Amino acid sequence: DSGVTQTPKHLITATGQRVTLRCSPRSGDLSVYWYQQSLDQGLQFLIQYYNGEERAKGNILERFSAQQFPDLHSELNLSSLELGDSALYFCASSPNRGGPQTEAFFGQGTRLTVV
Amino acid sequence: AQSVTQLDSQVPVFEEAPVELRCNYSSSVSVYLFWYVQYPNQGLQLLLKYLSGSTLVKGINGFEAEFNKSQTSFHLRKPSVHISDTAEYFCAVTRRGSTLGRLYFGRGTQLTVWP
Repeated sequence: DSGVTQTPKHLITATGQRVTLRCSPRSGDLSVYWYQQSLDQGLQFLIQYYNGEERAKGNILERFSAQQFPDLHSELNLSSLELGDSALYFCASSPNRGGPQTEAFFGQGTRLTVV
Repeated sequence: AQSVTQLDSQVPVFEEAPVELRCNYSSSVSVYLFWYVQYPNQGLQLLLKYLSGSTLVKGINGFEAEFNKSQTSFHLRKPSVHISDTAEYFCAVTRRGSTLGRLYFGRGTQLTVWP
């Protein structure tokens, strides 16, 4: 158990809908990272938050957004869903900004299926 | 930008045989290198990482990897595999000095160990 909790574990929704994925980082971790794992694109970094602020952005679509709350949990919001958004979404956390010596720990993921 | 190529999408081996999972990377800057394992319905778990120093890195579960700068490779090896090693293995890279949470992953290698 990595200590990173993601909910829900599975989500099925229709095209055009909006969903929210939730991540609780390990106790004391300030950084949260979101990744998308799909058959087409593999594992891709989406976005990082550090202590409530966006720190780095990867291949995140404009239809997607994220935030990190004062209690450090994070939410990934996916809107206007398309079939191609079906994927496993991972959250990871690390203690600080994620400097060179800091490892990130991954949650078990949320599997999103868009029908 | 960094990129990672895992040369084999599937590697079947028999139990107690040695295995090598190949990984090559491309980067215009110095990098840190990682191997992660993903068991079925689980999140990613760090096997080992190369940050600096000895080019032979030992990880968990008897795995090791060797960093070869001239060949830009970071192949993962285990001298004798077990059925329980069946999983998907991901090679990843990040720019030296960058956050270790923002990783660029290969497409993965499915290792299947047969009795």
